[in-house]
Amino acid sequence: ETGVTQTPRHLVMGMTNKKSLKCEQHLGHNAMYWYKQSAKKPLELMFVYNFKEQTENNSVPSRFSPECPNSSHLFLHLHTLQPEDSALYLCASSETQGLDHYEQYFGPGTRLTVT
Amino acid sequence: KNQVEQSPQSLIILEGKNCTLQCNYTVSPFSNLRWYKQDTGRGPVSLTIMTFSENTKSNGRYTATLDADTKQSSLHITASQLSDSASYICVVSARTNAGKSTFGDGTTLTVKP
Repeated sequence: ETGVTQTPRHLVMGMTNKKSLKCEQHLGHNAMYWYKQSAKKPLELMFVYNFKEQTENNSVPSRFSPECPNSSHLFLHLHTLQPEDSALYLCASSETQGLDHYEQYFGPGTRLTVT
Repeated sequence: KNQVEQSPQSLIILEGKNCTLQCNYTVSPFSNLRWYKQDTGRGPVSLTIMTFSENTKSNGRYTATLDADTKQSSLHITASQLSDSASYICVVSARTNAGKSTFGDGTTLTVKP
């Protein structure tokens, strides 16, 4: 256990559905991240929150909407997704976003399938 | 452009054997380099983290080396076990205000009995 939990672990949704992914960290960290990992591709950083403020959005389509109500919780709201959005979505946290040794701790991921 | 290249892309070894994975990077200015192990369908788990001044770090049967001059790192696995079968990801962070990380594609290791 890394101290980062994600729910649900598996999700199948249609293209017209709306769903949300949840991430919670119990490490007292201030930075949280969403990553997408497609088959046979490296991790792609999607969003970063530091002290509840969004600091990075790596040109992610608007059908993905993040929310960070506090430093311990991070959500990814999904709507009108496409089949190519099927992937493993990973949440991570770190002490803060910045220099040196900001070790990231990853959750187990949510396996998303869009039909 | 910051890049991290890992080799080989995949590797199959017999249980009990040793192996070495490679990571070359162009990230600059360099802050730190991390090796992660990712089991299939799970999140990555940190194995080692090294800064500029460190050239070797061990975590059990895993030993990482860093040559900051040539911008190369290796991960050596000793006496491999079936549970070592996983993807091994090299991540290099830049010394900037955002501390951006660049992820390698990973090496998929399969340990066979």
